[in-house]
Amino acid sequence: NAGVMQNPRHLVRRRGQEARLRCSPMKGHSHVYWYRQLPEEGLKFMVYLQKENIIDESGMPKERFSAEFPKEGPSILRIQQVVRGDSAAYFCASSLREVYEQYFGPGTRLTVT
Amino acid sequence: SQQGEEDPQALSIQEGENATMNCSYKTSINNLQWYRQNSGRGLVHLILIRSNEREKHSGRLRVTLDTSKKSSSLLITASRAADTASYFCATEYSGGGADGLTFGKGTHLIIQP
Repeated sequence: NAGVMQNPRHLVRRRGQEARLRCSPMKGHSHVYWYRQLPEEGLKFMVYLQKENIIDESGMPKERFSAEFPKEGPSILRIQQVVRGDSAAYFCASSLREVYEQYFGPGTRLTVT
Repeated sequence: SQQGEEDPQALSIQEGENATMNCSYKTSINNLQWYRQNSGRGLVHLILIRSNEREKHSGRLRVTLDTSKKSSSLLITASRAADTASYFCATEYSGGGADGLTFGKGTHLIIQP
């Protein structure tokens, strides 16, 4: 049973471009969480999704950021018109049910030049 | 992947008592972080302790780190019903990079009124 997969592992974008980060949850998991980590800081929650629904996006910046988890395919975190401050590691996690433990992917390191 | 080990897996105490959770890890680290997760919500970062620190306080939280034993403890003093949650430790390894954060399976803490 493969773990949570994220791709790409490293992504470099110039300011103003779009960044798309993908997360494939563990098989059978229908709950996905996205987190952002700045260097030497803890994870900061961004958004919690179930299939086709956004449950909690309280940690998501209001502009430029969006997330989806379609019925088929991976969850996507999209950052439009990236700025240098978006440079960070982005982790996703999945869980079987709402109260189950989360399994983390290896993360995507986004660098904005 | 979940490689850290929290101990105990579950803990139930009376309100007002202190709660202690432990975490062990396996390799050299840059820092160790503690998180809380309430049912159905994303992880909330509590405290980060660096490898050259031995103790850190934040409100009612006290974290210790013993790098010689590769272990950390989280103490919550004067517990409250609202502290009921799952608590996770996460270690950031010396290698760093997007895959440098590893979570344990968590301790489920129940505070009885």
